[in-house]
Amino acid sequence: DVKVTQSSRYLVKRTGEKVFLECVQDMDHENMFWYRQDPGLGLRLIYFSYDVKMKEKGDIPEGYSVSREKKERFSLILESASTNQTSMYLCASTPGGFNEKLFFGSGTQLSVL
Amino acid sequence: AQKVTQAQTEISVVEKEDVTLDCVYETRDTTYYLFWYKQPPSGELVFLIRRNSFDEQNEISGRYSWNFQKSTSSFNFTITASQVVDSAVYFCALSEAGRTGNQFYFGTGTSLTVIP
Repeated sequence: DVKVTQSSRYLVKRTGEKVFLECVQDMDHENMFWYRQDPGLGLRLIYFSYDVKMKEKGDIPEGYSVSREKKERFSLILESASTNQTSMYLCASTPGGFNEKLFFGSGTQLSVL
Repeated sequence: AQKVTQAQTEISVVEKEDVTLDCVYETRDTTYYLFWYKQPPSGELVFLIRRNSFDEQNEISGRYSWNFQKSTSSFNFTITASQVVDSAVYFCALSEAGRTGNQFYFGTGTSLTVIP
């Protein structure tokens, strides 16, 4: 089975800190995604990547950046964390193609104090 | 405009009741896929079903069934004889062939609570 692993299940950070959320998939998938999940808002796409070193902005990229130096790893970076970035962050991957299902990690619940 | 609408925010049912989760989508593409995912309290979204736009045949998998109707742009999900383990947030999603990159649209989810 495909495994998408997110480095932390829970994370607590201070306002202004630089935060790294790591995601690794083990099935050579082309596409990787970072979503943010908030109550009542569902899943909102922050960034996605369709190849190494390639990235595209999603619906809510402000305050975030990403890095994909290796195919299996997709990092989400909060340059200066703010309290409104407290949320559940979900990483996902697919082999590619619009008909492919997403494989999700178990999520990182980030609290910014 | 919302591409995928899940109008039911929260639903509570008593165990063994049947429950239907509604999903309405909007697309101009003729080729697209619809998905349902389940998110249990553990947090990880789990794929349940995928249906392409050319296959309107309903599907049944154990206690789960899906009703796809292009005429009403709906892809509803029914759980028969619900169980406590069905308690989760359920997401409907749309993927369009005519779009590259970010092709997944998610609904806002329906939180289902099954009361023992």
